[in-house]
Amino acid sequence: DTAVSQTPKYLVTQMGNDKSIKCEQNLGHDTMYWYKQDSKKFLKIMFSYNNKELIINETVPNRFSPKSPDKAHLNLHINSLELGDSAVYFCASSQDWAENTEAFFGQGTRLTVV
Amino acid sequence: AQTVTQSQPEMSVQEAETVTLSCTYDTSESNYYLFWYKQPPSRQMILVIRQEAYKQQNATENRFSVNFQKAAKSFSLKISDSQLGDTAMYFCAFMKLMEYGNKLVFGAGTILRVKS
Repeated sequence: DTAVSQTPKYLVTQMGNDKSIKCEQNLGHDTMYWYKQDSKKFLKIMFSYNNKELIINETVPNRFSPKSPDKAHLNLHINSLELGDSAVYFCASSQDWAENTEAFFGQGTRLTVV
Repeated sequence: AQTVTQSQPEMSVQEAETVTLSCTYDTSESNYYLFWYKQPPSRQMILVIRQEAYKQQNATENRFSVNFQKAAKSFSLKISDSQLGDTAMYFCAFMKLMEYGNKLVFGAGTILRVKS
């Protein structure tokens, strides 16, 4: 069973479209994250949720809106896609947000905006 | 602000040999956690090893070990008996604990190629 699963794995879309990436974890974790990996492979956190509540919101355009219907799911919705949004988006989860907790990552979603 | 620096963009090693990947970090905190993640071509992020700053003993996981020098803020990864499957991008990361939540601060990564 996949611990953290994201769908879709690949997403190609045109500028201006709205798209969503779904993430589910079956580990019973309380905390979930979205990270973005840019074209230079640099990874940076975007959001973190704990028990469905937003706890970290880095400097991300408000076109990006995470939604957590329950603590096992954290979806990422992106409005008015731009070329610069092309990246790999990783969902991750951890038991809680204590500093010694291990983050488990999904396989990533490669988003290409054309 | 915490920063993580990996000064080696790419490295190569012969199969069965040993290689060390460098990582330095900057923080004013006294207790923290450090991680090495591996990202093979499959794109999956896999935890390789982690180190708790208050532990002086270096962490080891089979062929992977770290050289943690707290005073120097250095956290290098040593891979012994390198295998072809070790070919991947390796990221050093610092766990920053915030008022609510935590986040991993990643270095820029080192591409490791294991040659047969």
